[in-house]
Amino acid sequence: GQQLNQSPQSMFIQEGEDVSMNCTSSSIFNTWLWYKQDPGEGPVLLIALYKAGELTSNGRLTAQFGITRKDSFLNISASIPSDVGIYFCAAANNAGNMLTFGGGTRLMVKP
Amino acid sequence: DAGVTQSPTHLIKTRGQQVTLRCSPKSGHDTVSWYQQALGQGPQFIFQYYEEEERQRGNFPDRFSGHQFPNYSSELNVNALLLGDSALYLCASRKWTGNEQYFGPGTRLTVT
Repeated sequence: GQQLNQSPQSMFIQEGEDVSMNCTSSSIFNTWLWYKQDPGEGPVLLIALYKAGELTSNGRLTAQFGITRKDSFLNISASIPSDVGIYFCAAANNAGNMLTFGGGTRLMVKP
Repeated sequence: DAGVTQSPTHLIKTRGQQVTLRCSPKSGHDTVSWYQQALGQGPQFIFQYYEEEERQRGNFPDRFSGHQFPNYSSELNVNALLLGDSALYLCASRKWTGNEQYFGPGTRLTVT
């Protein structure tokens, strides 16, 4: 079945540092999304991307939809303690339909 | 503006039993999807409902079934529970004509 390979699996960084994580696939997708999940809660949508090459920002977060439509990355600038959590990439062949998720990147921020 | 709500929050069942989980979509949304998230993994798509019909299904056995009601709320039923069914069950909603899916807080199911 389709799989998304997300890396790194975990990151332990100093407050104020920038963070980068990415997601790759052997299949083409038409939509890429990034979610953040805190313990005991559901994933919260951070950024949605619908066009190859698209670069979108949401505050300190920036994400890009790869030109090949097989990858995406998420950058977080000037990290703060509340950025702690698990970040998931997700992708779909048709917007809004079945989402395929990556394995997640666990982010830990040291104050 | 109410977001996606799910009930119950937690549930403990015995192997072989049946369970029903409930979801109310975000206001204005008409499409509901269910996902299973095992510990330490990303969510896995179970199925999606629109206009009270199952529209798409993931790689889950027939023990997993669902229903959507005229008010767009949905139920997930799992029969003959197995230990491996222990997971966080997430409901996500969207507008059929929209692109973005919003998740509820999930129901934590433990099968003993």
